[in-house]
Amino acid sequence: DAGITQSPRHKVTETGTPVTLRCHQTENHRYMYWYRQDPGHGLRLIHYSYGVKDTDKGEVSDGYSVSRSKTEDFLLTLESATSSQTSVYFCAISDAGQYGYTFGSGTRLTVV
Amino acid sequence: GIQVEQSPPDLILQEGANSTLRCNFSDSVNNLQWFHQNPWGQLINLFYIPSGTKQNGRLSATTVATERYSLLYISSSQTTDSGVYFCAVPSSGSARQLTFGSGTQLTVLP
Repeated sequence: DAGITQSPRHKVTETGTPVTLRCHQTENHRYMYWYRQDPGHGLRLIHYSYGVKDTDKGEVSDGYSVSRSKTEDFLLTLESATSSQTSVYFCAISDAGQYGYTFGSGTRLTVV
Repeated sequence: GIQVEQSPPDLILQEGANSTLRCNFSDSVNNLQWFHQNPWGQLINLFYIPSGTKQNGRLSATTVATERYSLLYISSSQTTDSGVYFCAVPSSGSARQLTFGSGTQLTVLP
């Protein structure tokens, strides 16, 4: 959907290197989320944001940090990538918290 | 935290058949959403349905909040219905987050 874009779409990185994934929205939605999707686990929340500079941890936040300096951008950083962080990462936006999520197309990250 | 269980985990249908997917949740909720992930990985919001029944073309959903379950009906299935169907409910202690079930993998054969 044109209202939310993720970059990059694919990335291969080495263990121990920092990685930043970007989520950009044009909908002016208040809430933004980062999920990871792994086989057998569905989607699990990493971090979310409820406004500029307002963020909170999700279920699987260890090893990840986030930043939101503008309404439209939500960055997910892996400070030192590990093989267990190989996954597909999805960003989502919402205009009222839990209602009407819209997901980005995902970023496939491989840590070797 | 709240538990969300979906059944069946896998479902294979012939084109034109009907199907019912189930979502059980362990606590009272005021919100439930159904999503479809197509074979290319894109996640699409199908329904926001905290209670009652909604219909959208060949798809309909019913949530019985008092009994803690929701059903997704797919009628006259098409190959384009293939993919994974997820239900999601608010996480315990935080109305701002959703907890997802593990999904039902649907394959519709031509």
